Amino acid sequence: AQTVTQSQPEMSVQEAETVTLSCTYDTSENNYYLFWYKQPPSRQMILVIRQEAYKQQNATENRFSVNFQKAAKSFSLKISDSQLGDTAMYFCAFAAPSTSGTYKYIFGTGTRLKVLA
Amino acid sequence: DTGVSQDPRHKITKRGQNVTFRCDPISEHNRLYWYRQTLGQGPEFLTYFQNEAQLEKSRLLSDRFSAERPKGSFSTLEIQRTEQGDSAMYLCASSLGGGVGGYTFGSGTRLTVV
Repeated sequence: AQTVTQSQPEMSVQEAETVTLSCTYDTSENNYYLFWYKQPPSRQMILVIRQEAYKQQNATENRFSVNFQKAAKSFSLKISDSQLGDTAMYFCAFAAPSTSGTYKYIFGTGTRLKVLA
Repeated sequence: DTGVSQDPRHKITKRGQNVTFRCDPISEHNRLYWYRQTLGQGPEFLTYFQNEAQLEKSRLLSDRFSAERPKGSFSTLEIQRTEQGDSAMYLCASSLGGGVGGYTFGSGTRLTVV
């Protein structure tokens, strides 16, 4: 069975600084995708960044980038120039094909990030 | 189209009552998912629809839970004879295709069973 582990329940960072959130996963699949989602307080989950497992190049989206280490099954998220609006719960998610023909997501338990002014 | 809508946002019900939640996905999205999120946990998969067909159900979805997606548009999730353990955030998401591009989530329905 696939599992996703986020070992940092809470983190804080000063505004404008850089922070890295950790995520590890376990799978025997070779074809899968990895995601980071942001869930602000009382608001919907928003996709931050995605990574295809078959791509060696790390994904980047503006201030957000990932460090994808396939052999180590590690997928960390780096947020540069942190902003107050980055305060949220961040979930790492793993997606692999299910028997029903869709990609079913498995989420970690989340990391609560607080950006300090 | 303003995204995935869920109704109601909050529901408080007495133990033993039935509740029904609604999800309106993005109109072009043919796939719809229900997830449950309890306090301190990530979302857990409940069930998946492709158009009107319910193609996968988690073992978390007991006999008291039923979901429908008539005509492949909106979806409803009903919980019969609610229990305190059903208290959670119920999230709906939709995707175009298999979801490799990411799901679009709604804001969720928070259920409290008292």
